[in-house]
Amino acid sequence: GESVGLHLPTLSVQEGDNSIINCAYSNSASDYFIWYKQESGKGPQFIIDIRSNMDKRQGQRVTVLLNKTVKHLSLQIAATQPGDSAVYFCAENGDSSNTGKLIFGQGTTLQVKP
Amino acid sequence: GAVVSQHPSWVICKSGTSVKIECRSLDFQATTMFWYRQFPKQSLMLMATSNEGSKATYEQGVEKDKFLINHASLTLSTLTVTSAHPEDSSFYICSARDIARARELFFGEGSRLTVL
Repeated sequence: GESVGLHLPTLSVQEGDNSIINCAYSNSASDYFIWYKQESGKGPQFIIDIRSNMDKRQGQRVTVLLNKTVKHLSLQIAATQPGDSAVYFCAENGDSSNTGKLIFGQGTTLQVKP
Repeated sequence: GAVVSQHPSWVICKSGTSVKIECRSLDFQATTMFWYRQFPKQSLMLMATSNEGSKATYEQGVEKDKFLINHASLTLSTLTVTSAHPEDSSFYICSARDIARARELFFGEGSRLTVL
């Protein structure tokens, strides 16, 4: 079935460097995408979202890029800090439009080395 | 920001017993809540959509008689794992949708169930 997937299970970066976490999605009907951060033993924490009518959106230290042509989503974290260490999930709404139902990708573990 | 509270945050039970997990939206109303299950080092898998005042909608492969969902009010949904077995041990997470703010979802902190 259709799913959202991630290319790399673990990403290790040096503190202060920029991080790029990638996600591939396969449901062309998805029009809303979200990045979540999950720390061990906790629920997902919203980072940033983007709608399909945009290709870039910026937040505080984070940028999400959407390439609909190749169905690719990325999360860029500037000046990565130890507190950014966590598992990052992308999620899409699939063909569920405005229901709030989300399909999550497999997750990428970000490790920040001091 | 909006807060979604889950209770209990962790529970240990014996095989064969039933366990109820609550999901509350503390400062907003939610006509729709979602229940996810997450096994260690895996992603969140949607189990069901909880609709206030009506029956829940279950995802394919999720047993509705085993995972009972009740959404009795605009701020509370409950998930009951009936006749729990060790394979039901997992991290259960709910999310709630603020009816006043379309698309905005808020997640709870999760409930870890361990079945002995």
